[in-house]
Amino acid sequence: ETGVTQTPRHLVMGMTNKKSLKCEQHLGHNAMYWYKQSAKKPLELMFVYNFKEQTENNSVPSRFSPECPNSSHLFLHLHTLQPEDSALYLCASSQEGGRGYNSPLHFGNGTRLTVT
Amino acid sequence: DAKTTQPPSMDCAEGRAANLPCNHSTISGNEYVYWYRQIHSQGPQYIIHGLKNNETNEMASLIITEDRKSSTLILPHATLRDTAVYYCIVRGQGRAGNMLTFGGGTRLMVKP
Repeated sequence: ETGVTQTPRHLVMGMTNKKSLKCEQHLGHNAMYWYKQSAKKPLELMFVYNFKEQTENNSVPSRFSPECPNSSHLFLHLHTLQPEDSALYLCASSQEGGRGYNSPLHFGNGTRLTVT
Repeated sequence: DAKTTQPPSMDCAEGRAANLPCNHSTISGNEYVYWYRQIHSQGPQYIIHGLKNNETNEMASLIITEDRKSSTLILPHATLRDTAVYYCIVRGQGRAGNMLTFGGGTRLMVKP
């Protein structure tokens, strides 16, 4: 149990579908992240939210739309995806503290997405 | 964040110490060294981090050279469950530290 829960664990969707990935953290953190991990590639940072505000968008296509309604929940809305978007999508959280210190990121176990 | 260099793979005998090296020659003074590992089909797991002093916790020890240009993660008694990809990451402070960048890591295989 990492304190970061992602649902669903597996998702298969067609290119015309709309779906959402959900992440919930139970650690009281104020920052949340979406990462993408494609086969045989390093993790790629997609989005960062601090105190519910998006602070980073790492040149992610608009077919991925994040939403952070509060500091405990993070969503990734998906629409008109391509087969190359098939990957493991990982959510993480951390505490951005005073005087610049950040706590370690805690990751969920991800959603394995297959786009057909 | 500074770039890190790690060997792509290493083997270790079960019960022996696993020493995983990492070079981070462009690290700046306020950047921390973090280590994570990822077991197949799971999210990365935090192991340990340090700034300039050596650190130890229940999972591992982190040795950082005096010039901070390299570090070594030590798993003192490796088990088969330590087989994973290990990532060494350099991370800034404050909001800059949110841009946590993962490289290819070292795939550690612990063998019986």
